[in-house]
Amino acid sequence: DQQVKQNSPSLSVQEGRISILNCDYTNSMFDYFLWYKKYPAEGPTFLISISSIKDKNEDGRFTVFLNKSAKHLSLHIVPSQPGDSAVYFCAASIGTDKLIFGTGTRLQVFP
Amino acid sequence: GAGVSQSPRYKVAKRGQDVALRCDPISGHVSLFWYQQALGQGPEFLTYFQNEAQLDKSGLPSDRFFAERPEGSVSTLKIQRTQQEDSAVYLCASSLVMVNEQFFGPGTRLTVL
Repeated sequence: DQQVKQNSPSLSVQEGRISILNCDYTNSMFDYFLWYKKYPAEGPTFLISISSIKDKNEDGRFTVFLNKSAKHLSLHIVPSQPGDSAVYFCAASIGTDKLIFGTGTRLQVFP
Repeated sequence: GAGVSQSPRYKVAKRGQDVALRCDPISGHVSLFWYQQALGQGPEFLTYFQNEAQLDKSGLPSDRFFAERPEGSVSTLKIQRTQQEDSAVYLCASSLVMVNEQFFGPGTRLTVL
């Protein structure tokens, strides 16, 4: 069973607008959540994370929101830039254990 | 080096051949993870080391898969008698102990013909 789900395989956003990427999870034991960005032929690059004791974490243009009751998190990118075009993976863990990844959302930012 | 390195970057094997994939983690990173990423999917956990100890190998898909990290630094993932379903990108990640953020290498793309 898929414990971490990214139901939108792709998203297209105009440059300067907000990009919102969504992620749902089923395991209530997850206590840490991460977003990774991946370019073709490269490994995933860590972007931002959030602990389950928080509901928001912000780093520059990137903000992650966590709704524990809904088992949902989202990544907001404002403003979106063409260089943000990549595949974004949501991941979850219990403590510092292995990461459980979603299937990814391909973001395309067009001029 | 500054980041996690993996070699080779690409490997083509005939079905039945053995392959060995290498990972050099970030210096000082105690934890090392291997993941397998099939086309169109997210990475899936294979195995985890803390220093030289293999603490979790629950994700290894069969006994043809074997990993080691004998001196607590470089790790090797070995696949014996490769099958077509082993074709994937194999990713290595490292992290400091008790830290959630893992840093990934570029991966090795394995193609089994």
